[in-house]
Amino acid sequence: GQQLNQSPQSMFIQEGEDVSMNCTSSSIFNTWLWYKQDPGEGPVLLIALYKAGELTSNGRLTAQFGITRKDSFLNISASIPSDVGIYFCAGRRTGGGADGLTFGKGTHLIIQP
Amino acid sequence: DAGVIQSPRHEVTEMGQEVTLRCKPISGHNSLFWYRQTMMRGLELLIYFNNNVPIDDSGMPEDRFSAKMPNASFSTLKIQPSEPRDSAVYFCASSPVGAGSEKLFFGSGTQLSVL
Repeated sequence: GQQLNQSPQSMFIQEGEDVSMNCTSSSIFNTWLWYKQDPGEGPVLLIALYKAGELTSNGRLTAQFGITRKDSFLNISASIPSDVGIYFCAGRRTGGGADGLTFGKGTHLIIQP
Repeated sequence: DAGVIQSPRHEVTEMGQEVTLRCKPISGHNSLFWYRQTMMRGLELLIYFNNNVPIDDSGMPEDRFSAKMPNASFSTLKIQPSEPRDSAVYFCASSPVGAGSEKLFFGSGTQLSVL
């Protein structure tokens, strides 16, 4: 199956710092989704991207669809304690529904007081 | 509106026992997915249904696993007999038809521990 490489695997940061993470693939995707999973809960959709070069924000979160269509990036500005969790990217190669989604293994964000 | 509802939230059982996980998708969503999450493998798609019909069960690890969707508002994932290596968090997710069909909405998961 398709492989998505997410990096970094873990991030230990101080409150207030900006965060950057990315997701890369050897294949071209036509949709990128970013999810966040809080401890003990299921993933929740943060941002969806549909066009190469697209830049979309959701509050302090900004995600970009890479121009090569093989990568995507998520940035969090001025991190706060509730940003703690696992961030997943998901990509879809062909048109259609969620059945074509491939998930990365996640970036664990830990905020040190 | 209620999201995807899963039960139980936690299940502890002994090896060899039957385990049944339950899911109620979001009303109006026509696709339902079962995922398994472990530290080693991340999120793995086990099976998905469209309009209550199983479409792809290639992710189901073994014949010990089975899933049903008798109607649009209910699905079960059954493991019989369970083994310690089945310990994981199992998620159910649903997605709508048409615009936004690529977006998955997850339940809170069932934490399964097989002793």
